[in-house]
This record gives sequence, C-alpha cells and structure tokens, in this order.
Amino acid sequence: GENVEQHPSTLSVQEGDSAVIKCTYSDSASNYFPWYKQELGKRPQLIIDIRSNVGEKKDQRIAVTLNKTAKHFSLHITETQPEDSAVYFCAASIGNYGGSQGNLIFGKGTKLSVKP
Amino acid sequence: NAGVTQTPKFQVLKTGQSMTLQCAQDMNHEYMSWYRQDPGMGLRLIHYSVGAGITDQGEVPNGYNVSRSTTEDFPLRLLSAAPSQTSVYFCASSSGGLSEKLFFGSGTQLSVL
Repeated sequence: GENVEQHPSTLSVQEGDSAVIKCTYSDSASNYFPWYKQELGKRPQLIIDIRSNVGEKKDQRIAVTLNKTAKHFSLHITETQPEDSAVYFCAASIGNYGGSQGNLIFGKGTKLSVKP
Repeated sequence: NAGVTQTPKFQVLKTGQSMTLQCAQDMNHEYMSWYRQDPGMGLRLIHYSVGAGITDQGEVPNGYNVSRSTTEDFPLRLLSAAPSQTSVYFCASSSGGLSEKLFFGSGTQLSVL
C-alpha cells in the first residue's frame, strides 16, 4: 500500500534555533501535502499545506518545501519558541489507491521539544 | 459554530461490548471521516463519507461500522469491542475534499479491557 515516512520521530532544539522535519511518500500520484500540529491532549490542526504544482510555501516562521522528483517534502520552523512544542504530522493525499483515492495517509509524527 | 463535536470524551468498555461514538458537525461539510491514533502510529483512516448516504472503508475498517443518514452526523459503531481497539478516535470533516483542510473533533479516548 501507500506509505509516508517521517523523520525524526523526536527532535529537541533550543529556543530560537530552527527545526526541520522530513517526509517521504511512495505514491507518485499524490498531489497535496499538509502538515498538522497536535499539542498535548488536543486535536490535530492544520498549520500549512502545499500542492504539487508549488515547490515552496511560507507562512511567517513556518515553511514547507516539496521535491516531487525525489518524493519528499519538509517542514521548516525558524526562530522556534516554547509554544512550538508539539507533535507534528505530515500527510500525503492518496492518488490511485482504489477506493481510498483522495484521502490522506499520515506519517507517524515528530515530537518537537523547544527548550527555553 | 461549534465545529466538529465528538462524544463521549472518555469511554471504558469490556471485551465484547458494543458502543457508538458520536460525531456531528455544523459547518455543512460534505466530507467526514474517522481516524484512530495509536502511539507511534500516526493517524489511520477507519471509514469515510463523501456525502449523506455514502460511506466507504479506509485503511483499518475491520471491527467498525459507520452510517451517514444526514450531512451533520457520522457515528462510528463498535459491534464487539476488542482490546486492539483501545485507541484515541478522531472524527474530522472538510468542505473541499477528502484531504482538504480537515477539521478534527476533540477526540474520544477508548479503553477496552
């Protein structure tokens, strides 16, 4: 089946440093790549997304890059703050996998800790 | 708007018991889905619906049933609970498509003993 791999599983940075989380996907027909943030005990929330016709997208301190040839995409957080501490999930839309077409496959998550 | 509302927040079941997890949204979204979240496993799709009267299976559908009689409601039924169904369950809805900006409910933590 289709797969999304996410690395690292845990990441610890000092406040003010940058953090990078990387994901690879297997379905060459995937065309939508969102990132969700889940704070402890809370629901996942969309923080940024990118489509296959765009190579990079920025929103203040966060950015996402996409390399379709290599089938990988990354989340970049600059000037990290303690409130960035959370679990981050990448996902990719399913392109051609039978009846699940159009749904998302999620990575297993990265626990980001930002130390003050 | 309340968004996506899930009930209950917590539930403990014994093996073999049945129950229904409720999910309702007031955003008039066509697309709704159920995910389970297990430690180190991310979010896995159980069932989804593209509109009232239409449901389909996701990645891990075994042991679960769904129905979609109205646009607003998408309940998840466990017919005979098993310990392997211990998990956190999230309902989600979206307006633009199955993967487009999912709005999640607050989750149901289910333990099956």
